Order: sequence, then structure tokens, then C-alpha cells
Amino acid sequence: GDSVTQTEGQVTVSESKSLIINCTYSATSIGYPNLFWYVRYPGEGLQLLLKVITAGQKGSSRGFEATYNKEATSFHLQKASVQESDSAVYYCALSGGSALGRLHFGAGTQLIVIP
Amino acid sequence: GALVYQYPRRTICKSGTSMRMECQAVGFQATSVAWYRQSPQKTFELIALSTVNSAIKYEQNFTQEKFPISHPNLSFSSMTVLNAYLEDRGLYLCGARTGANTEVFFGKGTRLTVV
Repeated sequence: GDSVTQTEGQVTVSESKSLIINCTYSATSIGYPNLFWYVRYPGEGLQLLLKVITAGQKGSSRGFEATYNKEATSFHLQKASVQESDSAVYYCALSGGSALGRLHFGAGTQLIVIP
Repeated sequence: GALVYQYPRRTICKSGTSMRMECQAVGFQATSVAWYRQSPQKTFELIALSTVNSAIKYEQNFTQEKFPISHPNLSFSSMTVLNAYLEDRGLYLCGARTGANTEVFFGKGTRLTVV
């Protein structure tokens, strides 16, 4: 089936240091999935951070970047210098881009940025 | 902008009773609505996808008999958890979108506790 695997649990990073949250996917029923990173800040709903729908392309938002690597089936999230306000739970997800928009989520990675 | 409101934010119900939750789209037409559940220690799991004027499609392990959904117009959807038990506890998210390949906007969720 279709699934997403990402860095599990909690990641702690000091402010201004770099971050990478790994994400790999399996899309057996979707030829060319759309890939997403969602973020959930404390007390808030899920927000779209970035999305990429074309293999080989890079998406970026708020200093975060992720490249759609079809060969490696990866979509790792990176940021060169994190801020305390980046502390949140990050979810990697994929969809088939159909009209119904079914999203498959990873387990979520909690990022804690230490000042 | 596009917003999705969910009500209630938190609710507690007795085991064996039912609980209805609502999802309101503001600023856009919610052609399709997806309901997800995040059980404790798990990721978001799709319950069902609802498209206005089409049949609601439930995922495996979720049924209309247990989670009846109403999607009467382009701004509102509701879902009921019938005969709730401990395994039904979790965060229920509503995600709405205008159409194919458009962004899904999520509400903050309804957190269900079953006692």
C-alpha cells in the first residue's frame, strides 16, 4: 500500500543549528504522488508548510526546504538555522492528487528547539 | 482567507454514548471534506472522504454505521461517533478543499475522550 515513514519521536536542536527530518515514502498505487510537509504548532490545527508535485523539484517555505527525490523515494525536510518558534510537530504526507485528496501521513516528528 | 472551524474543540462522553462534531469552512467552498482520526501514539488515519453530491467513501475499518457523516452544503460537514468506546478516543480532524489539486485546509480538531 501507500505509506510514509519519517524520523520518529522527538528531535531536539539548539537554536541557530541546522535541522533535517527524514521522510521516505512508498506509493505502490500512485504513480507520481504529491508530497507534503504539514506542521502543527501547539494548540493549532495542521498547516501546510510546503508541497512539491513534480519529481526533482524543491519546495521551500519559512526557511524550510524539501526536495522530491523519486529515485530515493525521499522528501527530507531541512532548515539551515532553526528558531525557537519552529518548535512544533512536523508531518510528512503524500497524496495521489485526485479530486478526493486522500492524504497518507507519517507518524509525525516533534521538533524542540532549545534557545 | 480560507479557514476551517471545528466544534467542539474538546469533548468527553461516556462509554456507549454518541458524540457529534462539526466542521465549518469559511472563505471558500468545501467541495470535498475528509475526516481523520489521530489515536494516541498514532498518526492521522483517514476515516472517510465526502464530496458534495457524491457518495461518502469510507476507509477500511471505518463504517457509516459507526461514523455517519453529513455534508449538506459547501460550507458544512458533521460526523457522529456512535456508541463511542475507549478505542475511539483521539483527535478528529476535518480537512476541506475546493477541488482537485487544491490545498487542504484543516481545522484545529475535536479531541474526544471516552470515560
